[in-house]
Amino acid sequence: QSALTQPASVSGSPGQSITISCTGTSSDVDNYKFVSWYQQHPGKAPKLLIYEINKRPSGVSIRFSGSKSGNTASLTISGLQAEDEAVYYCWSYASGNTFRIFGGGTKLTVL
Amino acid sequence: QVQLVESGGGLVKPGGSLRLSCEASGFTLSDYYMTWIRQAPGKGLEWISYISASGTTKYYADSVKGRFTISRDNAKNSLYLQMKSLRAEDTAVYYCARIAIFSPTDMDVWGKGTTVTVSS
Repeated sequence: QSALTQPASVSGSPGQSITISCTGTSSDVDNYKFVSWYQQHPGKAPKLLIYEINKRPSGVSIRFSGSKSGNTASLTISGLQAEDEAVYYCWSYASGNTFRIFGGGTKLTVL
Repeated sequence: QVQLVESGGGLVKPGGSLRLSCEASGFTLSDYYMTWIRQAPGKGLEWISYISASGTTKYYADSVKGRFTISRDNAKNSLYLQMKSLRAEDTAVYYCARIAIFSPTDMDVWGKGTTVTVSS
């Protein structure tokens, strides 16, 4: 099973909002609520930002929000800040042997 | 302080074996499901294995099934990944991560990773 599809890169200026998409199939994103987003800064371990489509773990900024429509999940970051520059991965439960699947990652550049 | 620390990475020849360890501190390991995730150089994340809190249930990605074995010793607060028949494509940073109590499919605590290089 292929990875979930994300744009390779997105960019935005400080204060702006950006949205990163994550497209899957009926075997993953489309049929499950278990879609999440992780942020990874260079040389660091990933950090959980959003789980179950639109829930934030304790301590994660309200500037991060998630949504889903059909087989596409989205992460929106509002009020962009320099420290948001990182790679963002979506992640979904998947049926069958795949069990869990990541997106290819989206590099966010804050201009 | 909740923490995971991986160890055991290194350089190994194709076909060789390696055992990774992940030591947990600041929380009771036996309360949590755990997982291993890897990241090849310059690439994205790949989930590879998952183990239930008691160790009785295990899952593997197809890419490592039959070659890697996940295990745990809750008394020693440790998680393990035994890797054999290693291939060049197994070269990666290997992270252990804790499955969140609030979400059965997500990782809320990660180690810093240990690097495995498979090369002759």
